[in-house]
Amino acid sequence: QVQLVESGGGVVQPGRSLRLSCAASGFTFSSNHMHWVRQAPGKGLEWVALISYDGSNGYYVDSVKGRFTVSRDNSKNTLYLQMNRLRAEDTAVYYCVKDGGSVVGAAHAFDVWGQGTLVTVSS
Amino acid sequence: DILMTQSPSSVSASVGDRVTITCRASQGISSWLAWYQQKPGKAPKLLIYAASSLQGGVPSRFSGSGSGTDFTLTISSLQPEDFATYYCQQANSFPFTFGPGTKVDV
Repeated sequence: QVQLVESGGGVVQPGRSLRLSCAASGFTFSSNHMHWVRQAPGKGLEWVALISYDGSNGYYVDSVKGRFTVSRDNSKNTLYLQMNRLRAEDTAVYYCVKDGGSVVGAAHAFDVWGQGTLVTVSS
Repeated sequence: DILMTQSPSSVSASVGDRVTITCRASQGISSWLAWYQQKPGKAPKLLIYAASSLQGGVPSRFSGSGSGTDFTLTISSLQPEDFATYYCQQANSFPFTFGPGTKVDV
């Protein structure tokens, strides 16, 4: 079945770095754009980043530009999020999400979600 | 950025009720709108894309409508498993943005 499994979350001090990973299975990873979406504790959803199917293009929400980098390894069916210069406001559950673009009309809807990994930025 | 608003922020309903949630975009997004359901401690689930297309496996009691700036999600007959928070999301342009959510509870 289609599955996304995130890992790499944890507690990190402000200003430090963390890398999240997401292992994909059950679909043709290399044909799909992928996203990261986050949710601060008790808050709503915030889109963070998109990477194109071939890794050639990345797009980010302004609040993480210059600090976060999204990448992928299609040979390993794995998505990454490198997070540098972390801030307290980056504390959230981070979800790896598949773009729905393989379905007509569903481009940039989020049709498959991982279970999420919690990142806590605190001293 | 496109600002998404939802109303109401919460709604109290009973099993069998018809529930309607409204989402408004700060600028026109054609039909590039999706709806999600999220239960506590779980990842969101896609219900509707392209404003009115039902995602596979989603019960037909869920429906979406609208275009441009005004959209609605309707649950025709609320079931016990439908008590959750619902989010709209614009898929028209970067950065993709979500509404603040509508909590449906008893």
